[in-house]
Amino acid sequence: AQSVTQLGSHVSVSEGALVLLRCNYSSSVPPYLFWYVQYPNQGLQLLLKYTSAATLVKGINGFEAEFKKSETSFHLTKPSAHMSDAAEYFCAVSDGSGGYNKLIFGAGTRLAVHP
Amino acid sequence: SAVISQKPSRDICQRGTSLTIQCQVDSQVTMMFWYRQQPGQSLTLIATANQGSEATYESGFVIDKFPISRPNLTFSTLTVSNMSPEDSSIYLCSVDVRQGELFFGEGSRLTVL
Repeated sequence: AQSVTQLGSHVSVSEGALVLLRCNYSSSVPPYLFWYVQYPNQGLQLLLKYTSAATLVKGINGFEAEFKKSETSFHLTKPSAHMSDAAEYFCAVSDGSGGYNKLIFGAGTRLAVHP
Repeated sequence: SAVISQKPSRDICQRGTSLTIQCQVDSQVTMMFWYRQQPGQSLTLIATANQGSEATYESGFVIDKFPISRPNLTFSTLTVSNMSPEDSSIYLCSVDVRQGELFFGEGSRLTVL
């Protein structure tokens, strides 16, 4: 069965600092992997996705993630945090067994950005 | 992309009552999904709704508690029946645009007293 583990329920960084949000997955077959962001009182918005093409995936708002099969990881990074990045971030996996649109979400990481 | 509208955006309900949440999409989609996000937690898929067939429920969710309608390709409803405080959650409607790229509505925040 597929699963997602996000290390760190809360991450706090200074404005301008590197953002690193960790995600590890478990899947018996090559997965599709996603990062979604949820701003307060809003639905989820897709940041980026990995679908077995390039292992380094670039998304919106300057975020990127690297798929590392050997580490079963898909960590999200951004070189320089902005105050507007404060939100909840969810990693999700789909292995296609239930359809590639059937996603399993991690518990989420709340990112705080302070001046 | 897709624009998804959900109604109501929030509601406060009494224990034992039922509430129907509506989800309207601005384009025709084959599959619609209903998720629950309990306070401080991640999203859990409740069911997948296909037009013209019965919804497919995930483990732990049953039709009697969460009946779903899907009358056409742009609309779906989720009813939360016989509510208890444990049903207090955000309920999110979503559609699949392309290979798992889900678009979400803003959610319906339900509080059960």
